[in-house]
Amino acid sequence: EPEVTQTPSHQVTQMGQEVILRCVPISNHLYFYWYRQILGQKVEFLVSFYNNEISEKSEIFDDQFSVERPDGSNFTLKIRSTKLEDSAMYFCASSLEFTEQFFGPGTRLTVL
Amino acid sequence: AQKITQTQPGMFVQEKEAVTLDCTYDTSDQSYGLFWYKQPSSGEMIFLIYQGSYDEQNATEGRYSLNFQKARKSANLVISASQLGDSAMYFCAMREGFNNNDMRFGAGTRLTVKP
Repeated sequence: EPEVTQTPSHQVTQMGQEVILRCVPISNHLYFYWYRQILGQKVEFLVSFYNNEISEKSEIFDDQFSVERPDGSNFTLKIRSTKLEDSAMYFCASSLEFTEQFFGPGTRLTVL
Repeated sequence: AQKITQTQPGMFVQEKEAVTLDCTYDTSDQSYGLFWYKQPSSGEMIFLIYQGSYDEQNATEGRYSLNFQKARKSANLVISASQLGDSAMYFCAMREGFNNNDMRFGAGTRLTVKP
């Protein structure tokens, strides 16, 4: 069964550093997403991406964040100048249409 | 204002019994989608069930069913014949609008199945 994959599973970085989180969505899906979940809290929408551009973004997704689909399979989230409060689990998801979104296993980001 | 409200932070159920997890939502859109996801202790998000606002029948997927009451704006998840492996966090989520992919989640309910 096809699945969304994410690398790395855990990333530790120093405050102020840049990180890139990587995702490989399900191959025939057209819509891609990033969510984050601060430990013990609910899942929060960051951004959706369709047809090589951002289709929606939340108030959390400020200039510190960017997304890219550098090739036909990868989908990345870049966080510039990380802050302590960026520590969270980051989930990538993909969907074929506007129905269910399938999530990857997540990348746990720890900012020291 | 909260778009998705899950009022039960924790629930217990005896193995093999049914349990209902509550979810109410707030939207002025006529077109929307409602979702339930399961998050076990390992952390992954597992899609369980989807209900579209125009779907007249309640959605069912195996042991999961969604009790959709549109007038009350509720979308409760019913798990029948609970199993120990059902112990997890359960999140209700909503996508509003026809072309909107912005999915908003509730705070979750932690379900514990007792043997």
